[in-house]
Amino acid sequence: QVKLVESGGGVVQPGGSLRLSCAASGFIFSSYGMHWVRQAPGKGLEWVAFIRYDGSDKNYADSVKGRFTISRDNSKNTLYLQMNSLRAEDTAVYYCAKDPAHYSASSGYYYFDYWGQGALVTVSS
Amino acid sequence: DIVMTQSPDSLAVSLGERATINCKSSQSVLYSSNNKNYLGWYQQKPGQPPKLLIYWASTRESGVPDRFSGSGSGTDFTLTINSLQAEDVAVYYCQQYYTTPRFGGGTKVEIK
Repeated sequence: QVKLVESGGGVVQPGGSLRLSCAASGFIFSSYGMHWVRQAPGKGLEWVAFIRYDGSDKNYADSVKGRFTISRDNSKNTLYLQMNSLRAEDTAVYYCAKDPAHYSASSGYYYFDYWGQGALVTVSS
Repeated sequence: DIVMTQSPDSLAVSLGERATINCKSSQSVLYSSNNKNYLGWYQQKPGQPPKLLIYWASTRESGVPDRFSGSGSGTDFTLTINSLQAEDVAVYYCQQYYTTPRFGGGTKVEIK
């Protein structure tokens, strides 16, 4: 079965950096695009970033563009999110999520068929 | 950006009754070349990640009970839960993927 496990969350000061990881199993990781989606405490969902199955294309929400970098290592079945210049408003649970589109059909549909349990990132002094 | 507006913010329904959640997009999410609505619905229970229920506006995800159904086209969509069960208590979100993905604000469903 598909399993996504995030790690790397924690408390960081404003202006600091943090890297999240998402270990994937139960599917052919290198065949699917992947996303990060976040949820501020008690709030709704916000899409953060997408990476194509082979890493050749990346897209970001305007709110994180230039500060966050999504990447993947298909040899390790792992997705990453490097977060720099963190702000208080970045405080959220960060979920990694799988795109349902197999690379042979589309590079990505941009909806999410499997989600991890999430990693909490708190930006506070 | 396409803005998604859900209504109501919350609703209380008796067990076995129907729950109806509405979602309106600020512009059409119907792609004319394939006649598909780029609209999904998710269920999120407390302390859990969201779970995909419906995609392409009306296609039920594998394993989702058939009491959940999606309808609508263009800018107006509905998630219907027939015969509400206790385990359906959750927040429900719509999401468009026609352009940069955006979610609605969520609708909290409770038992009356």
